[in-house]
Amino acid sequence: DTEVTQTPKHLVMGMTNKKSLKCEQHMGHRAMYWYKQKAKKPPELMFVYSYEKLSINESVPSRFSPECPNSSLLNLHLHALQPEDSALYLCASSPRQGSTGELFFGEGSRLTVL
Amino acid sequence: GESVGLHLPTLSVQEGDNSIINCAYSNSASDYFIWYKQESGKGPQFIIDIRSNMDKRQGQRVTVLLNKTVKHLSLQIAATQPGDSAVYFCAENIRDTGRRALTFGSGTRLQVQP
Repeated sequence: DTEVTQTPKHLVMGMTNKKSLKCEQHMGHRAMYWYKQKAKKPPELMFVYSYEKLSINESVPSRFSPECPNSSLLNLHLHALQPEDSALYLCASSPRQGSTGELFFGEGSRLTVL
Repeated sequence: GESVGLHLPTLSVQEGDNSIINCAYSNSASDYFIWYKQESGKGPQFIIDIRSNMDKRQGQRVTVLLNKTVKHLSLQIAATQPGDSAVYFCAENIRDTGRRALTFGSGTRLQVQP
C-alpha cells in the first residue's frame, strides 16, 4: 500500500464551525506533513510530525491545530477559520523527516470557508 | 524570498516535441531535489529526483540535470504527450538546517498542444 488517504475530499464550513481533516498512511512512514496550497501557487509547509511529535510549525495561526494520534494518522483540526484559509490542504508522508527521498502526497482536501 | 524558483510560468509545446522546464535555487546547502507533477484537482506526483552528488539522472522519458555551479535544475521530457499537461514543481531539501523539509518552487504550467 503506497497511498496517502485524505478525507474529506471537499469541505465547506462557516467561520464559526469546527471541523477536522484526516490523513492516513500505512507505509510505515514516521514523518507526516501538512501543506497548504492556494490556487496557482506551490504547496507551502504548515506542520511536520516526526515520530508522532510536532517537529515543525511554520508559524501557522492557532486556528489550525494538528494532531498525530499514532504513526499512521494525522489530523488537522479547524476552528474559527477565515475565508482566506480556503485552499487545498495536502497531507504527505516520508520514511523519516529530512531524509532524502520523495514525499508521498495524498489527493488533498479542498476547503472552502464561507 | 524563495530559494527555489522557475524561469517560465507557462510552457506550451507541440505533442511529440521535447520539453524543458527550468528551476533556479539559491541555497548551496540543498542536497536533494525532486520534480513533482500536479494535475488539476490532484496531489503532487513524484516524477524523478536527484542528489547533489550527481549531475544527471534519467527515468522513463524524463531526465533531470543539476548544475551546482549556477544552482540550476532542469527537467527534460522527451516526446511530450497530452497526458504530460500539468503544473510541474521542483522542490529542494535543505540539509543542515532546522527545517529539514522539502521547499517547493513556484511551478511551471506545461501545456501540450495536439
